[in-house]
Amino acid sequence: QVQLVQSGTEVKKPGASVKVSCTASGYIFTNYAMHWVRQAPGQRLEWMGWLNTDNGNTKYSQTFQGRITLTRDTSASTAYMILSSLRSEDTAMYYCARNVMGASWFDPWGQGTLVTVSS
Amino acid sequence: QSALTQPPSASGSPGQSVTISCTGTSSDVGGYNYVSWYQQHPGKAPKLLIYEVSKRPSGVPDRFSGSKSGNTASLTVSGLQAEDEADYYCSSDAGRTNYVFGTGTKVIVL
Repeated sequence: QVQLVQSGTEVKKPGASVKVSCTASGYIFTNYAMHWVRQAPGQRLEWMGWLNTDNGNTKYSQTFQGRITLTRDTSASTAYMILSSLRSEDTAMYYCARNVMGASWFDPWGQGTLVTVSS
Repeated sequence: QSALTQPPSASGSPGQSVTISCTGTSSDVGGYNYVSWYQQHPGKAPKLLIYEVSKRPSGVPDRFSGSKSGNTASLTVSGLQAEDEADYYCSSDAGRTNYVFGTGTKVIVL
């Protein structure tokens, strides 16, 4: 079955960077885009950006422009989200979610990776 | 890009119906038939319920239905069940491959 499995919990200091992975199985990785969405504790979902897993093109939300990098390793069917210059407000659950390229919905989602930023 | 506006909460008794609104602008909800809805139980990842305004993925009960009028989309849950108690989020294409989520609605089954 289609599944996205994310890397484990991260604890980072302010100013550091974090790299979260999302490994896909059950489908052809490069046939679908990968989006990243975060959710601060008790808050709403927030779209961060998306990656064309086939050619590596990216589009980032203006909120994260300059701090986010999305990459992939097609041989490992894995997408990565790197967020830099972390601050306490970046403490959140980070999700990857598959998307049919050109479509507007996300299905399925990874289980989430908790990133805590604390000094 | 501002978040789409949803009511903070909605409630109903088992068997009743509840409708959640999702209000945007002509640049997102009103401009595209690309509204989707997600259900999120506490501590879990979101799950797709509705896509392209009113389409249901296989496996989603037909108790869940979606519609849109102008800049406002709606999700209706009919025949409320205890397991429907969760947070619900709408999402829309916002143009030029940008996306936006709603503020979220907590559905309470009384």
